Amino acid sequence: QVQLQESGPGLVKPSETLSLTCTVSGDSLNTYYWTWIRQSPGKGLEWIGYIHDSGSTTYNPSLRSRITISVDTSINQFSLKMTSVTAADSAVYYCARDRPYCSSISCYRTFDSWGPGSLVTVSS
Amino acid sequence: DIQLTQSPSSLSASVGDRVTITCRSSQNIKIYLNWYQQKPGKAPKLLIYAASSLQTGVPSRFSGSGSGTDFTLTISSLQPEDFAAYYCQQSYTTLPYTFGQGTKLDMK
Repeated sequence: QVQLQESGPGLVKPSETLSLTCTVSGDSLNTYYWTWIRQSPGKGLEWIGYIHDSGSTTYNPSLRSRITISVDTSINQFSLKMTSVTAADSAVYYCARDRPYCSSISCYRTFDSWGPGSLVTVSS
Repeated sequence: DIQLTQSPSSLSASVGDRVTITCRSSQNIKIYLNWYQQKPGKAPKLLIYAASSLQTGVPSRFSGSGSGTDFTLTISSLQPEDFAAYYCQQSYTTLPYTFGQGTKLDMK
C-alpha cells in the first residue's frame, strides 16, 4: 500500500522560496505521475503540477512562472519549490499519486493516494 | 480553465437519509469526473472515478452518475461516518486539473 509524507518548513517569509519534499513508500516513482495540490480557505483545492519518472513536468499555468517540481527516484522522493511567495500562498500542501485507471475506451486520471498534508504559512 | 460548480454548498441531513450532490461543468468533460470525500484535518479520499466507477474499498452506498456537463454523487443511506466535505474534480484536461468548491455535509 502506497504511503506519502510531506516535509518542509511550516513558516516561510514573504518573497522567499517555499520548499517541500514528498517521501513515497510502497510504490516506485518510476510508475504513474506524482503531483502537488494545495488547499486554502480562500481558493479551495488547487492543483499545482505533476512530474513523471522521466522528469517531464506539467504545471498549472497560473503558477508556472514560480514553481519547479523535481524527482529523485533513487530515494523515492519528489519535491516542490515555489519562489517569491506571498500570503496568498499560505495553504495546506498535499502530495498525491496521480494514477490513471484504464478501460478499453480510455484512461481516467485520479488522485488515488494522498499524503496527510503540510501547513505552510507565509508571514514575516 | 474548466469551472466546476457544486450544489448545494452545504447540506444538513440525518442518518439514513438519501443525499444527492450535483457538480456542473463549464464545458463537456465526457465522464472525466472524480469525487472525493474530505474529513476535517485529513486529506481528500477518492470515492468515484470516471463519473460512476467506485474506488476499491468504498462502500456501495456511494454512487456517481452523469456525463457531459452534469454529474451527481449519491449516498443512498447516510451513515455517521459520511458527514464530511465532498469535492468533484475534472481530469478531462490536465491544463489545469480543477476542483469544485466543495459541499459540506453535516448532521441535521
